Amino acid sequence: GENVEQHPSTLSVQEGDSAVIKCTYSDSASNYFPWYKQELGKGPQLIIDIRSNVGEKKDQRIAVTLNKTAKHFSLHITETQPEDSAVYFCAASMIGDDMRFGAGTRLTVKP
Amino acid sequence: GAGVSQSPSNKVTEKGKDVELRCDPISGHTALYWYRQSLGQGLEFLIYFQGNSAPDKSGLPSDRFSAERTGGSVSTLTIQRTQQEDSAVYLCASSLVVAADTQYFGPGTRLTVL
Repeated sequence: GENVEQHPSTLSVQEGDSAVIKCTYSDSASNYFPWYKQELGKGPQLIIDIRSNVGEKKDQRIAVTLNKTAKHFSLHITETQPEDSAVYFCAASMIGDDMRFGAGTRLTVKP
Repeated sequence: GAGVSQSPSNKVTEKGKDVELRCDPISGHTALYWYRQSLGQGLEFLIYFQGNSAPDKSGLPSDRFSAERTGGSVSTLTIQRTQQEDSAVYLCASSLVVAADTQYFGPGTRLTVL
């Protein structure tokens, strides 16, 4: 089955700097890669996703890149703000299979 | 529209008791998922439903855990003879179709086993 690894486990940045979180997956058949943001006491919320027919996707300050050959994908947050502080999870899935999540990255944005 | 809802939001129980956790998915979503999140940990997949059937139960930690879904909608996760290590937040998610599709999460049920 699919195995997803996520790095780093914790990340601290200064407000205004960029943050990058990286994930690798094991099954080349995976074709859907969402990113979730989880704030304290809440369920994970989808912030951006990418499918395997696309190499990059951007939504305002958030972007995701996918390298199918290397089987890794990354979340990029630019101009970070304190409200970006949360735990971020990557995930991977393929048709007919369940979604596997990374272990999560705790992002802290210092004002 | 309404999102995924879960009840109760918090549940405190004594070791050895049975508990039932409920999930109401988004209307029309055929796939429903249960996850467990221990304190400060990632998301652990438990089981998913496609309609009323559960093609993958591989994530259930033991035979004390079971889940059912009726009418292609509401699902209940039952934990029998609870143990302290069952303490966690149990999250439910639904998606329009199974896998390779966006999952929408509920707020979770925080279970504490004393």
